[in-house]
Amino acid sequence: RKEVEQDPGPFNVPEGATVAFNCTYSNSASQSFFWYRQDCRKEPKLLMSVYSSGNEDGRFTAQLNRASQYISLLIRDSKLSDSATYLCVVSPPTGGGNKLTFGTGTQLKVEL
Amino acid sequence: DVKVTQSSRYLVKRTGEKVFLECVQDMDHENMFWYRQDPGLGLRLIYFSYDVKMKEKGDIPEGYSVSREKKERFSLILESASTNQTSMYLCASSLTQPDTQYFGPGTRLTVL
Repeated sequence: RKEVEQDPGPFNVPEGATVAFNCTYSNSASQSFFWYRQDCRKEPKLLMSVYSSGNEDGRFTAQLNRASQYISLLIRDSKLSDSATYLCVVSPPTGGGNKLTFGTGTQLKVEL
Repeated sequence: DVKVTQSSRYLVKRTGEKVFLECVQDMDHENMFWYRQDPGLGLRLIYFSYDVKMKEKGDIPEGYSVSREKKERFSLILESASTNQTSMYLCASSLTQPDTQYFGPGTRLTVL
């Protein structure tokens, strides 16, 4: 089983739609969780951290379910500029070092 | 604003050549990382370093070595390039562990 698994997509949605991505991770003791965004031919950049209580940043909401070992990202009122690949990222347990494990990404295409 | 730079955006080398990829960060970050990114495989960690002259193997270190003589600079070395090392190479840095990683723009290496 992969350490971090994501549906590769692509998710093709119309502008204004709400879209949700899920990600599952295998190590129940994982410490920290993130969503990164990667535009075509560009480097990954942090979109948001994911907290146990859930967190929101404008149109983006991230949630963590430790019991089921999954992380979600919800994008409301999607824009053309949201088209990108979204990477789910998980850190090791405390004391496990500073490696991050990246999922292979979910591709989103927002269309007119 | 954190800046991570990489020595080349595109590089073409021949099989058997020695290849140096350089990465420089300007934020006094302790941790630096080298990844390669391939379609369908995502980001895979090659080596990382948490201090000057310190290095640790990532998930796929075979065929690579690294050097960190100064805090701001982390070099990836391909001792004898092979065609299966054709890939996008991404450098990243972070302040603490685990924490947000900031990526450079990447070097697309082609080995002929």
